[in-house]
Amino acid sequence: GAGVSQSPSNKVTEKGKDVELRCDPISGHTALYWYRQSLGQGLEFLIYFQGNSAPDKSGLPSDRFSAERTGGSVSTLTIQRTQQEDSAVYLCASSPHWAAGELFFGEGSRLTVL
Amino acid sequence: AQSVSQHNHHVILSEAASLELGCNYSYGGTVNLFWYVQYPGQHLQLLLKYFSGDPLVKGIKGFEAEFIKSKFSFNLRKPSVQWSDTAEYFCAVNARTGFQKLVFGTGTRLLVSP
Repeated sequence: GAGVSQSPSNKVTEKGKDVELRCDPISGHTALYWYRQSLGQGLEFLIYFQGNSAPDKSGLPSDRFSAERTGGSVSTLTIQRTQQEDSAVYLCASSPHWAAGELFFGEGSRLTVL
Repeated sequence: AQSVSQHNHHVILSEAASLELGCNYSYGGTVNLFWYVQYPGQHLQLLLKYFSGDPLVKGIKGFEAEFIKSKFSFNLRKPSVQWSDTAEYFCAVNARTGFQKLVFGTGTRLLVSP
């Protein structure tokens, strides 16, 4: 497709379970970002991949959170042992190198931890 | 590391009123500046951007923003708002050195009453 694709769009899970969120960026975009959007918290940076460079993981809130990007394309954000405070909309965005900072966002994955 | 402050968390205006949303950033070097908008039920999208040149930039739907380097500000303006401008607005910045992550402010919710 033409845009950033995220799945699932909605995920309800029980506290303590692991979840995986997937992001398929726009073809050819070298940069990929994960953000978290919580009510009243704005956009919280989580992790950033740029080409083959080591990812910037400085925004991951705890070691329960991890992300990988395979083959420079699809990315998976994994949250282990989910907690209620992990409930949020997880947004993925991609960017072409030549337009540094101009991000194209997906629709997001809404995670609800019961 | 760079940071962004948006001073107005909620703004309520009547149609035809003028709009100015404040944005200040903190970073000692050269930056790229952005405003993103999220309409109800839609994904984030770019409203306008400043990379270099004329500090007054124009975006979509009649929005403009002015970069004032001495004040570290990038305020968003629109002379006459419409009901359809109801949305959440995010200011964002990234350092121009290398390829840096995009940092967002906490957002401003704008409600325009008809």
